[in-house]
Amino acid sequence: AAGVIQSPRHLIKEKRETATLKCYPIPRHDTVYWYQQGPGQDPQFLISFYEKMQSDKGSIPDRFSAQQFSDYHSELNMSSLELGDSALYFCASSLGGRLRSGTQYFGPGTRLTVL
Amino acid sequence: RKEVEQDPGPFNVPEGATVAFNCTYSNSASQSFFWYRQDCRKEPKLLMSVYSSGNEDGRFTAQLNRASQYISLLIRDSKLSDSATYLCVVPPFTNSGGSNYKLTFGKGTLLTVNP
Repeated sequence: AAGVIQSPRHLIKEKRETATLKCYPIPRHDTVYWYQQGPGQDPQFLISFYEKMQSDKGSIPDRFSAQQFSDYHSELNMSSLELGDSALYFCASSLGGRLRSGTQYFGPGTRLTVL
Repeated sequence: RKEVEQDPGPFNVPEGATVAFNCTYSNSASQSFFWYRQDCRKEPKLLMSVYSSGNEDGRFTAQLNRASQYISLLIRDSKLSDSATYLCVVPPFTNSGGSNYKLTFGKGTLLTVNP
């Protein structure tokens, strides 16, 4: 079965540079979530999109922005990168709906290293 | 009380052992609960969903106690391949019909199954 695709899988940037992470959800999934997982930490929710509209916002820095496109893929744009942005960035997708739907399936993640 | 709290672990058990993890949650209105497992540097993978009193899948049993607001995960006959971090996840309750299930993860419980 098709899974969530994230690209790139690894990214190395220097401080103050910009980065763009891409996420392609499971086909027919309309909701995308972004999570950040620092070393030894649990995943922290950043932002989510449902039907191309931002549906929820978590601890996402102002330096970051994201959007969901008409084909439901999403991009996380990160500017003025800081050393503390080094982390695993996971994208998850789900099928929107009530209570029992919406199980999130995670992509393999993008490992961002800021030097 | 934190939104989601888990047994801190780590748990080190021999193969074949039975091990149980507990997770408490603060929002009494929560309707659904999930256990994810995460291998080192990999994405969280859904292990079990719990919507009513519990769920069983082979060697894995999840139980929900709404009165005490905790869920547990029981692993019987532990295998070496069960070694991973187990994450308790409680989405916020919503009846909006939209999909804004940002996941709140517990800190995770590290399980190591030894030969």
